[in-house]
This record gives sequence, C-alpha cells and structure tokens, in this order.
Amino acid sequence: QSVLTQPPSASGTPGQRVTISCSGSSSNIGSNYVYWYQQLPGTAPKLLIYRNNQRPSGVPDRFSGSKSGTSASLAISGLRSEDEADYYCAAWDDSLSGRVVFGGGTKLTVL
Amino acid sequence: QVQLQESGPGLVKPSETLSLTCTVSGGSISSYYWSWIRQPPGKGLEWIGYIYYSGSTNYNPSLKSRVTISVDTSKNQFSLKLSSVTAADTAVYYCARGPTQDVWGKGTTVTVSS
Repeated sequence: QSVLTQPPSASGTPGQRVTISCSGSSSNIGSNYVYWYQQLPGTAPKLLIYRNNQRPSGVPDRFSGSKSGTSASLAISGLRSEDEADYYCAAWDDSLSGRVVFGGGTKLTVL
Repeated sequence: QVQLQESGPGLVKPSETLSLTCTVSGGSISSYYWSWIRQPPGKGLEWIGYIYYSGSTNYNPSLKSRVTISVDTSKNQFSLKLSSVTAADTAVYYCARGPTQDVWGKGTTVTVSS
C-alpha cells in the first residue's frame, strides 16, 4: 500500500484535458512540496512538476500541478498520444524520521 | 548536461548483498544529494535513500537495517549496498540526483535468484 493515493488509471481522447489526483496526509502533502514524474513505457521516470506547480525547462506548459491541503493534482491539457504513460506523485513525509513517499502510480491511456 | 549511469551485477543470490554503483558524468557530485529508487516488476516506485556529497545519509525506514549508501567524490560515484536480499528485492534500481530526483539514470535490473 502506497502512502500517497492515486487512481490506478485515467484516460482521455486527444485534445482533452485530464486530471490525476494524489491524496496524502498532514505529514506529507499537507506540509511539504509535491512532485510529479512521468514514466514512458520501458524508460526511467522523468521529473514533470516540482514544488507543487513548477515545470523544469523543457516540460510543455500543457502540464500543470496544483495542491490544496492534503491533496494534489496533475492536469494535462491538449492531450496527445505521446502523453500515454505512468504518472507518479511524490512528497517528503515527516513521519518515521523522514522519508520520500510515492503514490502508486496512474496509468494514463490516450484513447 | 548531468548524466547518471548505474552499474553492477544483474543477478544476486538470496541472502547475499546487492551492490550497485552510480557514476555521475557531465557535472560534479559535490553540493548535491543523490538518491536510489527501485521499481519491482510491474509495480510502482520505492525510495531507498539518499546521501549528501559530504556523506550524510537518510534511508527508508522499511529498508534501513539492510541499506548502506556511500559516496566517492574522487570518482564522482555513489553506491548502494543492500544486504540479505530475497526475491522481493528483485527490481529495476535507479539512481537519481537529489531527494527531488530531477535527473535519473536509465536503471539497471537486478534479479535475486539462486
């Protein structure tokens, strides 16, 4: 069981806007930054969003992040076929002497 | 452009110690934190721990008793040792920069089997 909760799957058609949720608690999302990673099939994860809503250089502005209380969301607008991937949220957790915790991942299918 | 490359045995026997090294190229290992993350087949990501270039560490409590992460600044490398491995430790092992993992290696598959 992952500390952060994500839906196992999501889907959308090209051009649509989809959102992926990530639910945590006061010891992680509620008090620390949220990060999002994209993992294309057969490849290593790639940082997509850092510090809740910041995009590294090279990440299209179609990707956006937000956080409210103990939950966070990743939004993808103008969905493209190449966005089909697994998406993971992560945050620092202040419990148990501190640790990085991940969500279980959401598989995004572009229909 | 910083690049990371994992290396080490792809097969480890049960009860033995898994040892991997991550080589940092295109930049210095100094002034950064460096992490290890793993992904069992068909499953999600699990943080193993990180080390600061000065040597201070932080480990996942669930693995802490078996994990050692070390750094060799002269070689621009950091390493992972995981002792007393079982089949449950079979995974793709990734090294990454920082606790935020902004740069990742391509990963290396480690299978625990006799």
